[in-house]
Amino acid sequence: QKEVEQNSGPLSVPEGAIASLNCTYSDRGSQSFFWYRQYSGKSPELIMFIYSNGDKEDGRFTAQLNKASQYVSLLIRDSQPSDSATYLCAVNRGANNLFFGTGTRLTVIP
Amino acid sequence: KAGVTQTPRYLIKTRGQQVTLSCSPISGHRSVSWYQQTPGQGLQFLFEYFSETQRNKGNFPGRFSGRQFSNSRSEMNVSTLELGDSALYLCASSPPDRVGLGYTFGSGTRLTVV
Repeated sequence: QKEVEQNSGPLSVPEGAIASLNCTYSDRGSQSFFWYRQYSGKSPELIMFIYSNGDKEDGRFTAQLNKASQYVSLLIRDSQPSDSATYLCAVNRGANNLFFGTGTRLTVIP
Repeated sequence: KAGVTQTPRYLIKTRGQQVTLSCSPISGHRSVSWYQQTPGQGLQFLFEYFSETQRNKGNFPGRFSGRQFSNSRSEMNVSTLELGDSALYLCASSPPDRVGLGYTFGSGTRLTVV
């Protein structure tokens, strides 16, 4: 079983819709959770992090964490074509490294 | 403030050769981590350095090694290159002992082994 699992997609949503990206992790001791966005040919950039159960909102982005279900999600409201990218879920288990999922490719259709 | 700088951006090497990649972290960041990214495997952790010491190591063969200098700059070396080492190598830095707040990645070095 992989440490972090994501649907590889591609996920296509129309412009203005809500995009929902999901991630599960295997280690119950995981402490912090991250979403990175990676445009084609570029390096990942951090867009959200969350530590506690519940929702965390930042602009059009909402991260949701459910530790009991070992589940993290990212909602993107009012999706824009510029949101088209690969979204990587990452998990920190307390040591100084992150475990990444393989990413979900999102396409926002104008 | 300058970001994480990786050099070179692109490299083409022949099987059996060795290669050294360089990473300069954000000023004040003392933790430097290296990742390999391939289409099939995604981002895989290689190792992490802090204050010139390797604190953490991933599941890669001994051909992959690294070091960190007193100014926090880091290098990684791959010896006896194999075709499967072709990948994007990413360096990431974080403030001291704050990986929990996430990394800042460099632009990466694209290594092609032929």
